[in-house]
Amino acid sequence: DVKVTQSSRYLVKRTGEKVFLECVQDMDHENMFWYRQDPGLGLRLIYFSYDVKMKEKGDIPEGYSVSREKKERFSLILESASTNQTSMYLCASSLVASGSDTGELFFGEGSRLTVL
Amino acid sequence: RKEVEQDPGPFNVPEGATVAFNCTYSNSASQSFFWYRQDCRKEPKLLMSVYSSGNEDGRFTAQLNRASQYISLLIRDSKLSDSATYLCVVNPVGGNKLVFGAGTILRVKS
Repeated sequence: DVKVTQSSRYLVKRTGEKVFLECVQDMDHENMFWYRQDPGLGLRLIYFSYDVKMKEKGDIPEGYSVSREKKERFSLILESASTNQTSMYLCASSLVASGSDTGELFFGEGSRLTVL
Repeated sequence: RKEVEQDPGPFNVPEGATVAFNCTYSNSASQSFFWYRQDCRKEPKLLMSVYSSGNEDGRFTAQLNRASQYISLLIRDSKLSDSATYLCVVNPVGGNKLVFGAGTILRVKS
């Protein structure tokens, strides 16, 4: 079974703090993604990566950056956390492009971030 | 207008009932479509892809109507374990940029 592991299930941070969210997948997938999920808005794509050291902006990249130094690891960074970044963050991976018929996304359990 | 719209529900149905959800999408050039299921406080998981010809997997049937720009999910003989949020997902431009609907809540009661 594919396993996507997110380092922290729950985090509480203060406004202005730097936040790192780590994600590791064990199935040698090319593509990795960071989404945030908010009530009534669904999942929104922040950034994705299709290869080591490659990244592309999703729909809401402002206030976030990412790092992919190794194929299995994709990190989301909040340089200066703000209260509107309080959310559930979901990491995902896929073997092929997620929009293809066989591009199943495998999600981690999520990291619930609260920014005070 | 949202790119992908779903009735948030909740749909409260008894065990054994048949229930259907629709999802509309705004981009007529959208290329691929999916239903994901998300249990309470869990991560989303792929339920099924939606093909132009429609597809069926056991009690679940998905249909695509390109002319009217909607996809549907039909669940027959509902089970308690079907209680979840069902996410409609559309790929408007190909590649990796999926658009998720906000989800439809289903509650199956005994």
